[in-house]
Parts: sequence; structure tokens; C-alpha cells
Amino acid sequence: RKEVEQDPGPFNVPEGATVAFNCTYSNSASQSFFWYRQDCRKEPKLLMSVYSSGNEDGRFTAQLNRASQYISLLIRDSKLSDSATYLCAVSPKTSYDKVIFGPGTSLSVIP
Amino acid sequence: DAMVIQNPRYQVTQFGKPVTLSCSQTLNHNVMYWYQQKSSQAPKLLFHYYDKDFNNEADTPDNFQSRRPNTSFCFLDIRSPGLGDAAMYLCATSRVAGDYEQYFGPGTRLTVT
Repeated sequence: RKEVEQDPGPFNVPEGATVAFNCTYSNSASQSFFWYRQDCRKEPKLLMSVYSSGNEDGRFTAQLNRASQYISLLIRDSKLSDSATYLCAVSPKTSYDKVIFGPGTSLSVIP
Repeated sequence: DAMVIQNPRYQVTQFGKPVTLSCSQTLNHNVMYWYQQKSSQAPKLLFHYYDKDFNNEADTPDNFQSRRPNTSFCFLDIRSPGLGDAAMYLCATSRVAGDYEQYFGPGTRLTVT
């Protein structure tokens, strides 16, 4: 089993739609969780960190479920500019440790 | 304001010809990472430095080496590139490992002919 897995995608949604991505992780000791956005042929950029209580940033909501070992990203009112690949990232332990990226889920928002 | 800079952005090398990719940062971050990313795949961590402390991933081939002469610079050396090493190479930094956002450079796209 891979350490971090994501919905295979691609997701093709119309403008204005709500779309949700899930990401599962295998290491129950994981402490930190992130969603990154990667545009085509560009570098990943942090979209948001994921906190235990869940967090929201405008149209984006991230949630963490430790019991089931998954994180989710909800995008409301999708814009054309949201088209990108969304990578989840998990840090196995606090401090001095690496971040493991998932393979990403591709989103295309269609006019 | 460029914070993580990678040079060159595109590199073409011949099979077996050594190549060096460079990364510099203006963030004064402690940690620098090198990732390999192939099309439609996750960035794969090759190694990282916490200050001068080098951490190699168990599955990183010996063909890949790294140097960090100072806080600002980090190099990726590929001693004998094979066709399978063609990929995007991403450098990233973070203030400390794990808990903090990683800042990525624009990447170097390596082609092996």
C-alpha cells in the first residue's frame, strides 16, 4: 500500500460546481497535513494546511479524519482558474522528517 | 521576488554524461529538498539537508548525489544519467522539516538523449 493515495481523477466539472477530493494515508503517526496545488508544468504551491478541527479559506475547506486516516478538500463554486492538479502531502512525524506527497488529482473546470 | 531559484530551467544531457543541477534560496531556510517528478506522478523525495545534515532516501539510486556548500545553495549531481532519469527536478526549502510549508523552485526539466 502506498503511503499517500488520492482519488484517481481526472475530475471534469462545470463552473460553479462543488467538488471534493479525498486523500488517504497509511502512517497513523502522521502529524501534519497539507494540500498543494500544481499547475501544468509548474512547481507545487501550498494551498492550505489541514488542521485537526478542519479549516476554511474562502471557497476551500479542508478536513482531517484521523480515525479513518484521510483528509479531504472541498472546493465550492468552482472557477476556471481552479483547474490544476491537487496534491495532498503528509508529514509522518513532527520535526526532522520528510513530507510524502500523493500522486495528485487533476481537476478541469469547464465553462 | 524569487525565493527559490533553480538553474538551468531546462537541461539536455547525453546518456551517461554527468550533469549538475543547482538550487539557491533567499529565505535562509534550514532545510533543502530535492524531488524527482515524472509526468502524472507524485514528487518523489531523493534526499534532504537539515542544515549540513544529509538525509538520503533508502531508494534513491547511488547515481544521484548532492552537495550543500552553504545555507543558500544546494546541488544535485547525476553521475551517469540514464533515459529513466528524464524528469522534472524540484528543489524545495522549509524553515524546519515536516511541520512547515515547503517552498518550491520552478524546477529543472531534464532530458536525456
